Amino acid sequence: DQQVKQNSPSLSVQEGRISILNCDYTNSMFDYFLWYKKYPAEGPTFLISISSIKDKNEDGRFTVFLNKSAKHLSLHIVPSQPGDSAVYFCAASEIEGNKLVFGAGTILRVKS
Amino acid sequence: ETGVTQSPTHLIKTRGQQVTLRCSSQSGHNTVSWYQQALGQGPQFIFQYYREEENGRGNFPPRFSGLQFPNYSSELNVNALELDDSALYLCASSPDRGNEKLFFGSGTQLSVL
Repeated sequence: DQQVKQNSPSLSVQEGRISILNCDYTNSMFDYFLWYKKYPAEGPTFLISISSIKDKNEDGRFTVFLNKSAKHLSLHIVPSQPGDSAVYFCAASEIEGNKLVFGAGTILRVKS
Repeated sequence: ETGVTQSPTHLIKTRGQQVTLRCSSQSGHNTVSWYQQALGQGPQFIFQYYREEENGRGNFPPRFSGLQFPNYSSELNVNALELDDSALYLCASSPDRGNEKLFFGSGTQLSVL
């Protein structure tokens, strides 16, 4: 039972363009959402998060959008850079939760 | 500030053996969580330790057990290894048990033959 789904295994984008990574969830108890980035041979690193009381959060080139009614969130990277090439994981947690539920990840390749 | 460190980085075991993985949490963090990442999948929650007590467990059998020490470092023990236990094991620390922002180590790659 996959509660967090990233339906695109991979995405290829030209340098300077926008990257949009998508994530869907099924558990309506999720109230906090995060994106992690993972390079080979390294652990995931926190990128950006959003609480369920918001619909948008920005941090530099990274913006996360949350559509609660659709149970959908997306990560926008503008402009994309070759160094952004990595695996991106969407994750969610419940109110008072003690764990993150991760999606399977999307491999982003930014071509120069 | 020292980040989360895990040892060993790679390990090869045979089916039926036992393994112990180690994790040192980031300075100032009292909560450690363990995740299993199988090939092609996202990390899956094993359990969490807060101030030396287990604070939640995922859908893993009892042969997966853990410890947290007074300095907040942690161990993950897996008994009676199975082929499906082959995975990347990630340790993550956080400042408190209610903090969803986890800081991950680089992981231990376990291969069970």
